[in-house]
Amino acid sequence: DVKVTQSSRYLVKRTGEKVFLECVQDMDHENMFWYRQDPGLGLRLIYFSYDVKMKEKGDIPEGYSVSREKKERFSLILESASTNQTSMYLCASSPPGGPAKNIQYFGAGTRLSVL
Amino acid sequence: GNSVTQMEGPVTLSEEAFLTINCTYTATGYPSLFWYVQYPGEGLQLLLKATKADDKGSNKGFEATYRKETTSFHLEKGSVQVSDSAVYFCALSDPSFHQFYFGTGTSLTVIP
Repeated sequence: DVKVTQSSRYLVKRTGEKVFLECVQDMDHENMFWYRQDPGLGLRLIYFSYDVKMKEKGDIPEGYSVSREKKERFSLILESASTNQTSMYLCASSPPGGPAKNIQYFGAGTRLSVL
Repeated sequence: GNSVTQMEGPVTLSEEAFLTINCTYTATGYPSLFWYVQYPGEGLQLLLKATKADDKGSNKGFEATYRKETTSFHLEKGSVQVSDSAVYFCALSDPSFHQFYFGTGTSLTVIP
């Protein structure tokens, strides 16, 4: 089974702190994604990466950055956390290939509270 | 551009009732369509998918048919159970397969 592991289920941080959210997948997937999930807004894509050291902005990249130094790991960084970044953060990965393989596999999520 | 619109919730049904959750999409090219389910406290997991027009995806008694003419992918189940209580997300992937677009989610509660 594919496993996507997010390092923390719950995090509480203070405004202005630098926050790292870590995600690791064990299936050698090329593509990895970070979303945030908010009530009434569904999932919104923050960043994605389709290869090591490659990154692409999603719909809401402001206030975030990412790092992909190794294929299995994709980190989301909040440079200076703000209260409006309180949310559920979901990491996902997917393999390359055509429609038959195009499935996203999700981690359990990290619920971040910024006080 | 690409987008997904799904019916707003929450939806509350009695056990064994029929379920429909509507989903329509806008896409350039020929997307694949998905339903994901999120159980309380968990991440999303794939429920079913369809990769081309007229395909029917099915899993755990749920079904959805890719309708290109109406740009729809409605989720149905003939008889829901309490264990089906979850949030359901409709999604599409663009032809490059790099990016997914999700609907806002529909919360379903099934009462005994």
